[in-house]
Amino acid sequence: NAGVTQTPKFQVLKTGQSMTLQCAQDMNHEYMSWYRQDPGMGLRLIHYSVGAGITDQGEVPNGYNVSRSTTEDFPLRLLSAAPSQTSVYFCASRGPLAGIYNEQFFGPGTRLTVL
Amino acid sequence: RKEVEQDPGPFNVPEGATVAFNCTYSNSASQSFFWYRQDCRKEPKLLMSVYSSGNEDGRFTAQLNRASQYISLLIRDSKLSDSATYLCVVNKGGYQKVTFGTGTKLQVIP
Repeated sequence: NAGVTQTPKFQVLKTGQSMTLQCAQDMNHEYMSWYRQDPGMGLRLIHYSVGAGITDQGEVPNGYNVSRSTTEDFPLRLLSAAPSQTSVYFCASRGPLAGIYNEQFFGPGTRLTVL
Repeated sequence: RKEVEQDPGPFNVPEGATVAFNCTYSNSASQSFFWYRQDCRKEPKLLMSVYSSGNEDGRFTAQLNRASQYISLLIRDSKLSDSATYLCVVNKGGYQKVTFGTGTKLQVIP
């Protein structure tokens, strides 16, 4: 099992450009999520999905879109990049909500710089 | 008050020392608790869950104090490889109700 994979590992964008961060998992997890991590802020939830076709906003959704057409894939789209979106982005997946101690598995992260 | 608070450190300890971290949480209805470990420029990984009765995994001991609303992590016989940031994670129930602390940095020195 590859677990959670993310591409690209690094990306530099100019202000106003758009791009998609890719995330895939092979654990058949229904729940997937996107976080951003900034110094001194901890991990903050951007968007999440509880299954194919179902997505919802997290704590900091502005400027980002998601879709979930399959169980495996959960891409994150930056619509018009801004310097404030410079961050490290982590995708994660976990098992059913009923298991409150279910582990979250994280991808290796994407380091994004917006100039 | 932040939902989850941790001392950012760094905690600089010699090899073989015992070190303890605390994490306080604000919501008394929180359901489950975890410690994650994050190495520099890597993804967080689950270290251990924290159960009501306390639990141990080798050199690591986790405790939960619901009355005072904090969890703790004790590391005995510190190794150089324990150097990392330790994230406190609190789940209030529901997928969007998982809150991560900002982490406590541990540096174990030879």
